[in-house]
Amino acid sequence: EIVMTQSPGTLSLSPGERATLSCRPSETVSSGYVAWYQQKPGQPPRLLVYGASSRATGIPDRFSASGSGTELTLSISRLEPEDFAVYYCHQYSTSPGTFGPGTKVEIK
Amino acid sequence: EVQLVASGGGLVQPGGSLRLSCSASGFIFSDFVIHWVRQAPGRGLEDISIITSNGGRTHYGDSVKGRFTISRDNSKNTVVLQMSGLRSEDTAMYYCVKGKYPGSGSPLDHWGQGTLVTVSS
Repeated sequence: EIVMTQSPGTLSLSPGERATLSCRPSETVSSGYVAWYQQKPGQPPRLLVYGASSRATGIPDRFSASGSGTELTLSISRLEPEDFAVYYCHQYSTSPGTFGPGTKVEIK
Repeated sequence: EVQLVASGGGLVQPGGSLRLSCSASGFIFSDFVIHWVRQAPGRGLEDISIITSNGGRTHYGDSVKGRFTISRDNSKNTVVLQMSGLRSEDTAMYYCVKGKYPGSGSPLDHWGQGTLVTVSS
């Protein structure tokens, strides 16, 4: 099983700041098979980015993904109040795929 | 609008069985893979079962293999997850999720609201 490790566990930032979230698979995953999701309390996750760096429908361009192999990154260029949430990385090169434990982005 | 409505959750005793159903609308159901993803209270996400668009292939996570069975009826736009031998660690919110493509190597682009399963005596 490919284990996805996310860091940090919690990121405390202010609105307007840049957020950089890390995800490290236990083995190389093609960036074409990695996705990132956002989850707010009481809601299901929402797809943000998939493939190398394709944003899902309706996702603003302040969200971007980069990296390859075992070092993957989700960046949020300028945090808006609605961006404070938990973010999960997901590899779907295996069936089923696996998720990271999540990074919580909280208001500082 | 894509909708995935899961039902059938509830309280069940250890060792018991439960049948979850997912009713889909707003897209061509037979063109897309469907997953069941669960989330234990306060925990992360676990992809436990997949069924491809035509139902020809199914996949299961190790934690549920041999106990859960996924099926679909493309004429009724429904997916069923039959769960047996339930354990306390199966307690979770169960989400019915649409994949972006027909096959299993697919990001998960639409999530239902989920149905809660509680396994307890």
